[in-house]
Parts: sequence; structure tokens; C-alpha cells
Amino acid sequence: DGGITQSPKYLFRKEGQNVTLSCEQNLNHDAMYWYRQDPGQGLRLIYYSQIVNDFQKGDIAEGYSVSREKKESFPLTVTSAQKNPTAFYLCASSIFGQESSYNSPLHFGNGTRLTVT
Amino acid sequence: LAKTTQPISMDSYEGQEVNITCSHNNIATNDYITWYQQFPSQGPRFIIQGYKTKVTNEVASLFIPADRKSSTLSLPRVSLSDTAVYYCLVGDRQEIIFGKGTRLHILPSKSTFGDGTTLTVKP
Repeated sequence: DGGITQSPKYLFRKEGQNVTLSCEQNLNHDAMYWYRQDPGQGLRLIYYSQIVNDFQKGDIAEGYSVSREKKESFPLTVTSAQKNPTAFYLCASSIFGQESSYNSPLHFGNGTRLTVT
Repeated sequence: LAKTTQPISMDSYEGQEVNITCSHNNIATNDYITWYQQFPSQGPRFIIQGYKTKVTNEVASLFIPADRKSSTLSLPRVSLSDTAVYYCLVGDRQEIIFGKGTRLHILPSKSTFGDGTTLTVKP
């Protein structure tokens, strides 16, 4: 079964600690994305990557870092510099290429709920 | 960047057809219109995508007028499980931007309940 796996589902950390959220996909998609969602709000883009070893900042990249060493994996690190890290984090992927361009539908994981106290 | 505008929330009853309209006045020539559904504590799920006129799949229909400045997602005969947030997106760049979506709340059909019976127990 192809899909996107985010782990863990729930994560608890103390303030001042960095934490890394995992995202793996076996859909052979080129592009991967990280979004943050706060209660009652839409999704806000943190980072995205169109190919391996390349990624771009989204609207709210401050306090976050990513890497894309493999096509299947796009981990997100929430650093201690992120002022309000408690949120629901969603990872997504899509086909990306010259033909499909920016209109390819996103496939989402089921999210990681991070609580920082 | 093409921006979309949707109603914040909508209520409807089981069995009804629900239409959610999205405005996208600045849609570009190459842009498609995509709709997603999100349940609480889950990632959004792709519902339907279209470029012009009408698209239909097993879940919904998407109506797009000739000027493409708006689109309407139509959900036939909704059930309680269709209660969710629905997002309309217009893709124009690498950054795929979600708005706040439309929170759709499906209420039980009035015919689901009877008038009730009042039971009084005397000591």
C-alpha cells in the first residue's frame, strides 16, 4: 500500500529542546511539503522540496529546519528558536515535473501532534 | 499568487445536496482548481480537481463557469460523515497555499427523530 507515514502520532517535549518529526513516502513522488495547523485554522506552509538535496522556505520557516537526503524522506526539525511550536504538523507529497507542474494533488500523512511544555 | 475566498462555515441536513462556492478572481491560465476534505486530527484528502466546465467523480461534482473566477463543489445527498472542513485551492506555483476552508456541519435529518415520548415516573 502506497502512502505517507508520519511518526510519531503524538510527541511531547520540554521547552528548549529540538525535536525531529519523521515523514516517509513510498509513492515515488518528487515533491514533499511540511505544513503546520493550529486549532481552527487552515494549513500554513513551513518548507517544501521539489527534488533531493533541495528545499525552499514557505511562509513560516523561522524556527524550523529540514533535510532531503533521500527522495522518500523529508524530516522536519522544530528547533528551540520556534516561539510557539505546539501544533499539528502535516507532511504531504506530490508528483512534480515539467508536465504535471504545480497542479498535482497533494497526498497527506495523518499528522504529528506536537506539544511543548 | 491566486487567492481563494470561501464561506467560513455551512450547515446542512442529511440527504441534502450541498454546494460550496469558492471565488478565485485572479486565477491564471494554467491553474487548475482543487478541492480537499479534512476530518479532525487527519491530513486533508483530495476530493476533485478541474480546469473548466464540469467534472464528476464518485464523491462529488465540480462546476466551473466559463470565466473560471469561481467554482462550486457539489456533494450529493450528504451524510453525517461528510461533516468536515473543505478547502478550495488554485495552484499557480510551487508553494501550495491553503486558506481556512469551509467548515461543513451536517445535521441529522429531521425525519430521523420522532416526536418523542414523555415518561413520568411517580413515587
